[in-house]
Amino acid sequence: AQKITQTQPGMFVQEKEAVTLDCTYDTSDQSYGLFWYKQPSSGEMIFLIYQGSYDEQNATEGRYSLNFQKARKSANLVISASQLGDSAMYFCAMREGLSGGSYIPTFGRGTSLIVHP
Amino acid sequence: NAGVTQTPKFQVLKTGQSMTLQCAQDMNHEYMSWYRQDPGMGLRLIHYSVGAGITDQGEVPNGYNVSRSTTEDFPLRLLSAAPSQTSVYFCASSTRQGDLGYGYTFGSGTRLTVV
Repeated sequence: AQKITQTQPGMFVQEKEAVTLDCTYDTSDQSYGLFWYKQPSSGEMIFLIYQGSYDEQNATEGRYSLNFQKARKSANLVISASQLGDSAMYFCAMREGLSGGSYIPTFGRGTSLIVHP
Repeated sequence: NAGVTQTPKFQVLKTGQSMTLQCAQDMNHEYMSWYRQDPGMGLRLIHYSVGAGITDQGEVPNGYNVSRSTTEDFPLRLLSAAPSQTSVYFCASSTRQGDLGYGYTFGSGTRLTVV
């Protein structure tokens, strides 16, 4: 079974609108971390945002916010006021066992976001 | 500049050839990993290391070897290249303190084609 599920292979959004990229995860650990990465067409992996399982507030980083719903095991990425430069692949990842595990992230299959002018 | 350095950026191999993908980091990170990225498959873990002298297998280890003789270096060896190993390979590193939330720092990737 996949530990990270991204059900949207592709998403389209109009410039300046908000978009939500879905991510659900599966873990039995109480302590874990959730990440989102952006991969533009140039290929590099860019770290966007992090949410710890014990964090009570949703993480935010500029136009990025992480909608963390622990009971539903979801960690959706919200991009507000989309820009053309947001067009990229987006990967959700989870690192389990922060209390003593291996800290090796598992990645989802990604969502391709295209921002239209 | 501090970060993760991967070499080469591009490589074409013939089936059956062997080669080593190099990865070096200068951040004194304990954890290092190799992933391969294929279309529609996301990033899949090949091998990882939690410190010098310690390595372990990930999700797709067959056909690859690793070693970690120093904290800085984590080379990935392809023993006998096959067309199925055509992929983009990423090396990544992280501190042990996972709750810092900095995620992994990735190298720029190696695009490997096996013909």
